[in-house]
Amino acid sequence: ETGVTQSPTHLIKTRGQQVTLRCSSQSGHNTVSWYQQALGQGPQFIFQYYREEENGRGNFPPRFSGLQFPNYSSELNVNALELDDSALYLCASSYKREDTDTQYFGPGTRLTVL
Amino acid sequence: AQSVSQHNHHVILSEAASLELGCNYSYGGTVNLFWYVQYPGQHLQLLLKYFSGDPLVKGIKGFEAEFIKSKFSFNLRKPSVQWSDTAEYFCAVRGGGAAGNKLTFGGGTRVLVKP
Repeated sequence: ETGVTQSPTHLIKTRGQQVTLRCSSQSGHNTVSWYQQALGQGPQFIFQYYREEENGRGNFPPRFSGLQFPNYSSELNVNALELDDSALYLCASSYKREDTDTQYFGPGTRLTVL
Repeated sequence: AQSVSQHNHHVILSEAASLELGCNYSYGGTVNLFWYVQYPGQHLQLLLKYFSGDPLVKGIKGFEAEFIKSKFSFNLRKPSVQWSDTAEYFCAVRGGGAAGNKLTFGGGTRVLVKP
């Protein structure tokens, strides 16, 4: 167990709806990264938050947005859901050090878009 | 942009056989390298990592990996697998500078160990 928790475990939405996924980082960690893992593929980086500010973003449209709170927990919001958004969404926490931090993953939220 | 290639999508082997999974990356600068494992029904777990120093890295559960800079490779090995090593294995790269702090993952290799 990494101490990273995510909620909910599973979620079913329909196209066009909005969804919010939540992540609690491991104690002592100040950085949260979000990844999308489509079926049969490796995780793809969505964005990272460090001390409540976005600290890097992958090739995802603006309808993917996030927040990090003062306690370093985080939310991932996806607006205008599309069928291709169906995936496992992973949260990873780390303690940011220059070039030496290691990310620890939560169990993920399985999102199904119908 | 950095990318990671894992050559084998599926590997099937018997218990006690040796395992080697290939991983090649493309990135011109200094990299950190990782292998993660995802057991059935479980979350991604860190097997081992390389930041600097000895290019032969030992991880948990008897796994090791060798960083060969000239070949841009970071292959994972285990001399004798067990049924419990059945899982999906992911190689990941983190580059500094403009590449930021993100992990770039390969597509994964599914390993099935037959008892």
